[in-house]
Parts: sequence; C-alpha cells; structure tokens
Amino acid sequence: EVQLLESGGGLVQPGGSLRLSCAASGFTFTSCGMSWVRQAPGKGLEWVSGISGSGGTTYYADSVKGRFTMSRDNSKNRLYLQMNSLRGEDTAIYYCAKGREGTAGSLFDYWGQGTLVTVSS
Amino acid sequence: QSVLTQPPSASATPGQRVTISCSGGSSNIGTYYVYWYQQLPGTAPKLLIYANNQRPSGVPDRFSGSKSGTSASLAISGLRSEDEADYYCAAWDDSLSGVVFGGGTKLTVL
Repeated sequence: EVQLLESGGGLVQPGGSLRLSCAASGFTFTSCGMSWVRQAPGKGLEWVSGISGSGGTTYYADSVKGRFTMSRDNSKNRLYLQMNSLRGEDTAIYYCAKGREGTAGSLFDYWGQGTLVTVSS
Repeated sequence: QSVLTQPPSASATPGQRVTISCSGGSSNIGTYYVYWYQQLPGTAPKLLIYANNQRPSGVPDRFSGSKSGTSASLAISGLRSEDEADYYCAAWDDSLSGVVFGGGTKLTVL
C-alpha cells in the first residue's frame, strides 16, 4: 500500500524558513518522480515543484522559484521542501504527491494527507 | 487565473449525468495527457482519471474522461450523493515547465 506522510508544517513569521518532509513507502521510490502541491485556504490546487526519480531534475513554479528548494534522499525514501523567505501567500496545506512515472513532471497517482503551513506575524 | 479553465460549479440530481469541461492550449492539453482529481470535503485529492481516459483500479466506471484537441471533459453518470466534491483537471505545460491545474469545479448533487 502506497503511503505518503508529510511533516514539518507549522506557524512561521514572514521572512522565515521551514523544511517540510515526506516519508514514502509501499512503492519503488527511486522509480517515481515526486511533487509538492499546495492548497491555500478555500482555494484550488497549485503545483509547487517536482523532482525526478534520480533527483537530477527539478522544476519549480514561478511563484516559489529562488525561494524554495526541493530535494530527495533515495536511501531513506524521503522527500523534502526547504522553504525560505516565506510570505503570507505561501500559507497553505502542502501535499506530497507521487508521480506515475520517473520524470520530474510526472502527474500524480497518490497524495499524502498534507501538512499545514501558516505564515503570519 | 488558472492556466486550465473549468466552470466553477456544476449541479445535477441523483441518477443524472453531468459533464465537467477543462479548456487549455497547445502547450498543455494539446500535447500532454490530462488527469482528473476528486477532492471530497476536508480530504486530500484522489486520482480519478489518468492519461485522458484511463480509470485507476477501484474507480467506478460511472466516471469517464475524454480529450479532443486542447479541451478535455470528465463525465459522471448515475450521479450519487457521495459524488459531491471538487473536481480538478491537470496537465504538464511545456511553456511553463510545470504542472498546471484547472481552477476546480464544485459539483453539487441536488
């Protein structure tokens, strides 16, 4: 059974940093591209970033480029999102999503339950 | 403003058929597969349709997807109360080098 468990969310002040983590199990982690997708309160889904199975390719949404860094540790089956220079508009539930294929742009077949990030003073 | 355009809402009565549209362009739907996700209230999204018209195991055949040119649609037949949810289309976009979503359609079962 595929399981994706996000952690690391919380309350952070504007300009601050946070590191999200996603623990994956139930599938061959290195064979799958992974993504982070967020959902602001009462809003729709927004793709944030994607990474290939090997970790060699990453893509970012323009809204987070230069501030967020996505990485993975294939030896631990873990995915990360380092978020710096956080803004109020980054407030959202952040979902870890498993790609159907190994590419960084692979669309998703499984989602975690999400972790809430609140950016506020 | 979402790159993929969906109607914000749709409604129908139990047993009826409803269709949700998703309009894009040549850099996304026109070239790449379309995926559809269902998000029940207070839960994470769930894959409903992949590769334009394929259903993952466990998804009832009441749900079907299609694509033509730069548009796609999701059809739900034999509507049930438990189908009341938000529905999102998504695709890869070459111009943006990223995944794009529709704004979501809130389906109400009357």
